Amino acid sequence: QKEVEQDPGPLSVPEGAIVSLNCTYSNSAFQYFMWYRQYSRKGPELLMYTYSSGNKEDGRFTAQVDKSSKYISLFIRDSQPSDSATYLCAMRLNTGFQKLVFGTGTRLLVSP
Amino acid sequence: GAVVSQHPSRVICKSGTSVKIECRSLDFQATTMFWYRQFPKQSLMLMATSNEGSKATYEQGVEKDKFLINHASLTLSTLTVTSAHPEDSSFYICSARNSGGTDTQYFGPGTRLTVL
Repeated sequence: QKEVEQDPGPLSVPEGAIVSLNCTYSNSAFQYFMWYRQYSRKGPELLMYTYSSGNKEDGRFTAQVDKSSKYISLFIRDSQPSDSATYLCAMRLNTGFQKLVFGTGTRLLVSP
Repeated sequence: GAVVSQHPSRVICKSGTSVKIECRSLDFQATTMFWYRQFPKQSLMLMATSNEGSKATYEQGVEKDKFLINHASLTLSTLTVTSAHPEDSSFYICSARNSGGTDTQYFGPGTRLTVL
């Protein structure tokens, strides 16, 4: 079993839809949770960064962490074709600076 | 802020030659940088962790003599693929730890290596 599970998709939605992207994980010691967006042939771009449980909102993006369920989500409101990309969840421990553990990424396609 | 650059963005080389890829943190100092490899439609695979002024820590299965990493300053790390072979063709991405602010990794744009 992988430490972080993420549906690879693709997830196809029409423009304007609300998108929900999710990851589950097995290590309850993870404390920091991140979402990265990666366009084709580009490096990942940090979108959201959360510590422990709770919600965080930034513009059209909302990140949720439910540590009791070991489940994190990224919501995208009013999705745009420019949001079409691969979304990677990542997480790490609290002790020192441990390496990030990534999900496989979910490919999102937003059609006009 | 937290911008990371990589050079070159794309390189084609002949089998048996060596290729050097540079990773720079442009607006912050990075005591730790990371090198990843990514195959098509797959997630990132960590190759090694590079700490300024010390030897890199390689992940299991990564040949340290083939993938030479140097982190000579707080803003520059280099990855040299030695005696490259076609199976080394891949997308190589670096990241730099920004210990200020969010204390997470910021990624470079990647380097596509093609070995003929």
